[in-house]
Amino acid sequence: GDKVKQSPSALSLQEGTNSALRCNFSIAATTVQWFLQNPRGSLMNLFYLVPGTKENGRLKSAFDSKESYSTLHIRDAQLEDSGTYFCAAEADTGYQNFYFGKGTSLTVIP
Amino acid sequence: GGIITQTPKFLIGQEGQKLTLKCQQNFNHDTMYWYRQDSGKGLRLIYYSITENDLQKGDLSEGYDASREKKSSFSLTVTSAQKNEMAVFLCASSIGLGGYAEQFFGPGTRLTVL
Repeated sequence: GDKVKQSPSALSLQEGTNSALRCNFSIAATTVQWFLQNPRGSLMNLFYLVPGTKENGRLKSAFDSKESYSTLHIRDAQLEDSGTYFCAAEADTGYQNFYFGKGTSLTVIP
Repeated sequence: GGIITQTPKFLIGQEGQKLTLKCQQNFNHDTMYWYRQDSGKGLRLIYYSITENDLQKGDLSEGYDASREKKSSFSLTVTSAQKNEMAVFLCASSIGLGGYAEQFFGPGTRLTVL
């Protein structure tokens, strides 16, 4: 099965509203990274986390390694937030390995 | 800051052909990665390398070879292209592993096999 499960798979948000994306891990993740992929396919770094929380502007992310999940909160959604959000987990599965979720496709509507 | 460049941007191959993709980074990072992304899906790790001449297999290594010729470059070879295959291959680099594995990505190489 999927080692990183992202939810929801797709989301529409009214401009100015808030939402949260989530990743659940079935592996012992040690670090988590969140990305935004634009329609041209470029991956923009959002957060890189060891267990804990980080905030950057309207975005906030948390990683709880004991409960095996990470969240990305978007506050006051803007049109430019649209795209596909991916989380990626680093895990020691006998050797270091990196697993991506399947992504959340976010559309912000005016 | 730094940049990762991937060549070529677009690659069209024939079934059974051996195809090589190249990646260069000027971050002076130790670790480099190759991922494959299929349409509408997440990325899957093919190979990574923690230093020059090192090679570590990811879950998707079968059907691929890789070579870390020097610290700044990491190449990937599709050993036998599959008919109708279409995917984007993404290269990344990071300072290291563990708490130093924040990955920065290149723009990708789009492969189409006829």
